Order: sequence, then C-alpha cells, then structure tokens
Amino acid sequence: ETGVTQTPRHLVMGMTNKKSLKCEQHLGHNAMYWYKQSAKKPLELMFVYNFKEQTENNSVPSRFSPECPNSSHLFLHLHTLQPEDSALYLCASSQRGGPGTYEQYFGPGTRLTVT
Amino acid sequence: AQSVAQPEDQVNVAEGNPLTVKCTYSVSGNPYLFWYVQYPNRGLQFLLKYITGDNLVKGSYGFEAEFNKSQTSFHLKKPSALVSDSALYFCAVRDIPHPDDKIIFGKGTRLHILP
Repeated sequence: ETGVTQTPRHLVMGMTNKKSLKCEQHLGHNAMYWYKQSAKKPLELMFVYNFKEQTENNSVPSRFSPECPNSSHLFLHLHTLQPEDSALYLCASSQRGGPGTYEQYFGPGTRLTVT
Repeated sequence: AQSVAQPEDQVNVAEGNPLTVKCTYSVSGNPYLFWYVQYPNRGLQFLLKYITGDNLVKGSYGFEAEFNKSQTSFHLKKPSALVSDSALYFCAVRDIPHPDDKIIFGKGTRLHILP
C-alpha cells in the first residue's frame, strides 16, 4: 500500500444524485491532487491543493467541487454528473517545496459510473 | 511548455527476454523524470525517478531507466521480463526550475509479457 486511501472504491450514481469521494494520506505530505483517468485518454489533472489551498483548477466543470479541510484529507463532491464523467478518479499526494523529491503517491482510485 | 511522449501504445515481449518501454520528453530547463506502473483496478505505483547524478537509475522490481540528455529520452528497461510485469506504464516529467510543480504524465504504454 502507498499510504493513500480512497473511499469508496466503486460508485454508481444517477445524473441527479449528489455523492462525495474521499481521500486520505498518511505520508505527512503537504500537497494533494485529484486526477481523472478515462479509457484511451491521458491522465487528466483536475485539482491541486498545496498546504490546503487550491493552487490549480484545470478548467474542471463546476459539477465537480473539491474540498481540502486539512493537509491529510481531500474530498471531491459530485452533483448532476453526466455519463461522460464515468472514469477512474485518482487521488495523489506529494511533498512540495524545498529539495523535495516530488514524486506523487497514488491511492487505488474510485471507479465511478454515471447512469 | 513541458511535455512527455510515449510513442508505443503497446509493447509485447516474451517472458525471459529484455524489455524496453520508450519515453521522450521536452522541458525548458532540467527535468525530473519518473516512471509509474498501474496494475488493473489499481492506482499508479511509483517505480523510479531521475533527479540528478548517474544516468542509469535503478528502481523497484528489477526495473531501471537510462537518462539520455542528448536524445531527451528516459527509457524504462528490465533485463529479463516476467509475466507479472504485464501492466500499464507511465512516464512523467517535471520541469525545473519552474514555479509550477506540476508533473506531466505520458499517455501510457501497455506492456504484455507473453509466457
């Protein structure tokens, strides 16, 4: 295990539902990330949080709403999703700043299916 | 802008033979380079990195990668492939110095090791 956990591992939701994805890192890192992985497409960076502050939002639709209450927890709130949002959502963490090594450690992902 | 290319969607290798997964990159400064592996229904797992120093980097599970600055390449290698090496492999790059710590991932190469 990498020290990054994600729940739930699988989620099926209708387009009118509201759900949340949770990520927790036990590595003492100061940055956390949400990625979207769709079949036959490159890994898409969605959001970056550095010291709990959002430093990047890659033009993600507002139906995805991130929350980072502290440096160990990251949420992705979902509402009124579309079928094309079905994908594997990956959380990652890293240590940013200084002479850090910058590699990211990933959770196992949440497989989301929107019906 | 930084970018990374993995020219092969899929690589097939017979068990016991050496394997190479190709990666080339483009950065404005000096690169940090990474390889990750993804097994089915799992997140990305860090394999190895190049920051500075020896051009040949050794990582997990017997993998190694060679940094070639003149060819802007960072190919992943293993002397003798195992069936269990079958997975999706991602190359990634971070441009240093750069105010944005973003890591860019390649689109991935699927490695099939044939028994």
